[in-house]
Amino acid sequence: GQNIDQPTEMTATEGAIVQINCTYQTSGFNGLFWYQQHAGEAPTFLSYNVLDGLEEKGRFSSFLSRSKGYSYLLLKELQMKDSASYLCAVRPPDLGRLYFGRGTQLTVWP
Amino acid sequence: DGGITQSPKYLFRKEGQNVTLSCEQNLNHDAMYWYRQDPGQGLRLIYYSQIVNDFQKGDIAEGYSVSREKKESFPLTVTSAQKNPTAFYLCAISRQGDYGYTFGSGTRLTVV
Repeated sequence: GQNIDQPTEMTATEGAIVQINCTYQTSGFNGLFWYQQHAGEAPTFLSYNVLDGLEEKGRFSSFLSRSKGYSYLLLKELQMKDSASYLCAVRPPDLGRLYFGRGTQLTVWP
Repeated sequence: DGGITQSPKYLFRKEGQNVTLSCEQNLNHDAMYWYRQDPGQGLRLIYYSQIVNDFQKGDIAEGYSVSREKKESFPLTVTSAQKNPTAFYLCAISRQGDYGYTFGSGTRLTVV
């Protein structure tokens, strides 16, 4: 089966750094995605990791450890507009689909 | 205007009615997907299609039906057999060998 866990909610203040963790147990692995979803809107792509290590993209970075079944999304210099749900998704090999976690609702306070 | 289009944005259904949600794309992507999203739950896969005239059940296919007669279109019918259809429905597309999704803007279905 597939099991993807991430915290339900997190809060942080403007300008701070926050780390959103994701652990997964899946039958095979062929990449991990992070998406951002504002309330009532479609998810938008943030990052993709398939090899171990850190991928940096502006204020957002994503880390993967395949041996530990673990990833995190790091958001720096938080802004109010970063208040959203962050979805972790895993792609097993040989399947044309993604499995999603339940999402982490991040609230950024002024 | 290129991309993926879902319609309508809001849909109301009476008990016992079938309704069809539209998903159209003009990016020539091979794969199309339908997900359902409920508060506090992740995205759950209903159906997906990787080529025309072929589709597979996802994790929660009961009470839903799809067709893929054209590459551009993947409509989802919510039948009266779906006991709890009120939810936010998202269509997504991806290219062969490209593992990422592009999502449509979603349809919010409410049973009245």
